[in-house]
Amino acid sequence: QSALTQPASVSGSPGQSITISCTGTSSDVGGSKYVSWYQHHPGKAPKLLISEVSNRPSGVSNRFSGSKSGNTASLTISGLLAEDEAEYYCSSYTSSSTPYVFGTGTKVTVL
Amino acid sequence: EVQLLESGGGLVQPGGSLRLSCAASGFTFTNYAMSWVRQTPGKGLEWVSVISGSGSRTYYADSVKGRFTISRDNSKNTLYLQMNSLRADDTAVYYCAKVEWGYYFDYWGQGTVVTVSS
Repeated sequence: QSALTQPASVSGSPGQSITISCTGTSSDVGGSKYVSWYQHHPGKAPKLLISEVSNRPSGVSNRFSGSKSGNTASLTISGLLAEDEAEYYCSSYTSSSTPYVFGTGTKVTVL
Repeated sequence: EVQLLESGGGLVQPGGSLRLSCAASGFTFTNYAMSWVRQTPGKGLEWVSVISGSGSRTYYADSVKGRFTISRDNSKNTLYLQMNSLRADDTAVYYCAKVEWGYYFDYWGQGTVVTVSS
């Protein structure tokens, strides 16, 4: 099971919107309702941002939103804040013998 | 409040063994699958293993199959990862994570560092 493909880095100015893509296959992203997104600040515990493609857990800012089209899922961060500077990972439940796969990770920089 | 606290990391020589623990609190431990995920230096997250709430079902990444064993003690609310035949590429921060509905990871610990080096 290969890692899902994410851009290595994305940047934006405060207040702007950015979108991070996550490309897989029909065995994972394309065929799964269970795509999730995580925010990871260095030295801290990763945090769940989005579950089941577009569901936002209680307590997560509505500036974070998720979507999916075909084999590609996307995370959009609107109204970018300095505190959004972190690494972001997608993940998918898969139909293979390896039930979970993560993306390669995207470093978000707030300019 | 859900809390997950990993321990047991350290420096070990190639070929050696280590057992990681994850103490859980704030939820009914036996009701949830639990997983280990690692982050290797300069790389991203890699799923390692998952165990069902009862402990009867386990799954592993190909990279650790046959070398790592996941287990749990529901009487102690603790998750374990026994790591044998360790290699340099097992060097990573190891996180335990609570699995929600079997499909995604809703809570994570702070991680414990494992370094495999001679």
